[in-house]
Amino acid sequence: DAKTTQPPSMDCAEGRAANLPCNHSTISGNEYVYWYRQIHSQGPQYIIHGLKNNETNEMASLIITEDRKSSTLILPHATLRDTAVYYCIVRVASGGSNYKLTFGKGTLLTVNP
Amino acid sequence: DAGVIQSPRHEVTEMGQEVTLRCKPISGHDYLFWYRQTMMRGLELLIYFNNNVPIDDSGMPEDRFSAKMPNASFSTLKIQPSEPRDSAVYFCASSNLLGTSGRFSYEQYFGPGTRLTVT
Repeated sequence: DAKTTQPPSMDCAEGRAANLPCNHSTISGNEYVYWYRQIHSQGPQYIIHGLKNNETNEMASLIITEDRKSSTLILPHATLRDTAVYYCIVRVASGGSNYKLTFGKGTLLTVNP
Repeated sequence: DAGVIQSPRHEVTEMGQEVTLRCKPISGHDYLFWYRQTMMRGLELLIYFNNNVPIDDSGMPEDRFSAKMPNASFSTLKIQPSEPRDSAVYFCASSNLLGTSGRFSYEQYFGPGTRLTVT
């Protein structure tokens, strides 16, 4: 799987958009970009994933650059409850004996009032 | 659905004792995962099951750890004997190969975790 690089921490003002970057310059054509987050003392939570097109759901938007070497997770109106560690994971679609994720260190997003 | 259920939520035990952690996955999910999280090592996958069959246990630290899934609605992770270095938060997660969109996905749903302290 391609290696990902994320800043260790970021700050964002409440009500503003939070833009979390992820670099995956060695990504291959069949690897997806997944985002999870982990709020303190809770289990990780799936947010969104994409291959090459931008994606949006009720939680966030995922913007993937045209060359796919980087992506940005956007929380359009951050709230205090969005304070969490955000994990960017790159993974090829593979079931059976290889259906697993590896979580790195992620980005600690702190939303300030 | 109530989501993934884990019990107990907290466990404090003495070194050498047997510890059993329990997990009930989301109904209909055919994959179940056990993870361990510590400050030093982050979130590590220990083992996962597909249709109740263990698929990959390469993350299980040593023979003191064992996991079973006797049926589709229940799994256990056992540590015998426990050691202080086993202190961690243990998460169970479940998923389907096809996510909520009906396409292949790594959408995993995590339980609240069991915080284990071995003294």
